[in-house]
Amino acid sequence: AQSVTQLDSQVPVFEEAPVELRCNYSSSVSVYLFWYVQYPNQGLQLLLKYLSGSTLVESINGFEAEFNKSQTSFHLRKPSVHISDTAEYFCAVSESIPGGGNKLTFGTGTQLKVEL
Amino acid sequence: DAGVIQSPRHEVTEMGQEVTLRCKPISGHDYLFWYRQTMMRGLELLIYFNNNVPIDDSGMPEDRFSAKMPNASFSTLKIQPSEPRDSAVYFCASSKPGLAIYEQYFGPGTRLTVT
Repeated sequence: AQSVTQLDSQVPVFEEAPVELRCNYSSSVSVYLFWYVQYPNQGLQLLLKYLSGSTLVESINGFEAEFNKSQTSFHLRKPSVHISDTAEYFCAVSESIPGGGNKLTFGTGTQLKVEL
Repeated sequence: DAGVIQSPRHEVTEMGQEVTLRCKPISGHDYLFWYRQTMMRGLELLIYFNNNVPIDDSGMPEDRFSAKMPNASFSTLKIQPSEPRDSAVYFCASSKPGLAIYEQYFGPGTRLTVT
């Protein structure tokens, strides 16, 4: 079975500082990895994904994540955070399911709190 | 597109009552997923459907929980009877292999409080 570990439940950081949210996965097969973001009182939104190809993937709002197969990691980084980045971030790994789709296994989430 | 629609957004009920949560997936999506989010257990997959057929319900906590998808545009998650430990945020998500492969689109959730 696949699993995801997010070791940091909360990460406080000052605005304009860099941040890294850690994610490690466990899988016996090829993986597809995702970061979702959840703003207060909202559903989850896809932030970025790794399916294949370049191990560095980027989002439109400045986040990036690097797939590291040897370390089984998919850490999320941003060089300079903004107050609006305050949210909960979930790492997820997918596995194939009948019919050609996939189901996601989520980590427990990391609450990013950006302070002024 | 309107996105995944869930109703109600908030539900408060007394222990022992029946609760029905509703979801309308994005039009054309083949898969529908029900998740439960709690502080203690995080985000758990309860059940998912493919083309209206339940494929895996191994995440459903117990027989008090049931889910149906009578057509491609509607699904329900029912809890009968409800218990305080069922208090959580319940999310519905849908996806369509192909154009948006592997991406799941989440609804805003239903916050259930059982007193």
